[in-house]
Amino acid sequence: DTAVSQTPKYLVTQMGNDKSIKCEQNLGHDTMYWYKQDSKKFLKIMFSYNNKELIINETVPNRFSPKSPDKAHLNLHINSLELGDSAVYFCASSHRPDSEKLFFGSGTQLSVL
Amino acid sequence: GQSLEQPSEVTAVEGAIVQINCTYQTSGFYGLSWYQQHDGGAPTFLSYNALDGLEETGRFSSFLSRSDSYGYLLLQELQMKDSASYFCAVLGNQGGKLIFGQGTELSVKP
Repeated sequence: DTAVSQTPKYLVTQMGNDKSIKCEQNLGHDTMYWYKQDSKKFLKIMFSYNNKELIINETVPNRFSPKSPDKAHLNLHINSLELGDSAVYFCASSHRPDSEKLFFGSGTQLSVL
Repeated sequence: GQSLEQPSEVTAVEGAIVQINCTYQTSGFYGLSWYQQHDGGAPTFLSYNALDGLEETGRFSSFLSRSDSYGYLLLQELQMKDSASYFCAVLGNQGGKLIFGQGTELSVKP
């Protein structure tokens, strides 16, 4: 069983479209994250949820809206996609918010054309 | 704010030892983590140092000096499968935010 799974693995779409990425973890963790990795492999945190509550919200355009229906799921919806949104988006989870050990999903490669 | 510096790339041969350095600047510091990421894969946790000194896990060791704001990852008996990107990361003082360095791409040659 995959510990942190996200879908889809690849997403190719046109500018202006709206898309969602889903993430689920079966580790029983309380905290989940979205990270963005750009073409230079820089990993930057976007959001973090602890027990369904938003605890970190970095300077991210409000076109990005995370949603956590329960502590095992964290989805990311992106409105009005732009070329600059092209990146790999990683979901991750950890036991607690201040953890040094994150478990990452396999990533969603988003290409905006 | 927080910033981390690590070399962008390192090349070594199979069987050799390589050290990847990381210096950090942070207004609050809890510890230094290391992650490995193969091309097309997910970052995976390797080690964590909260206290000064060396932590050994098999062929990999990680070192921290809090007074120097410096750490390193040491990889011994290099294998081809060790070719990957290695990231250092610090926990900041803003609760739950793991900040990553820009990564070091390690190429292991035969």
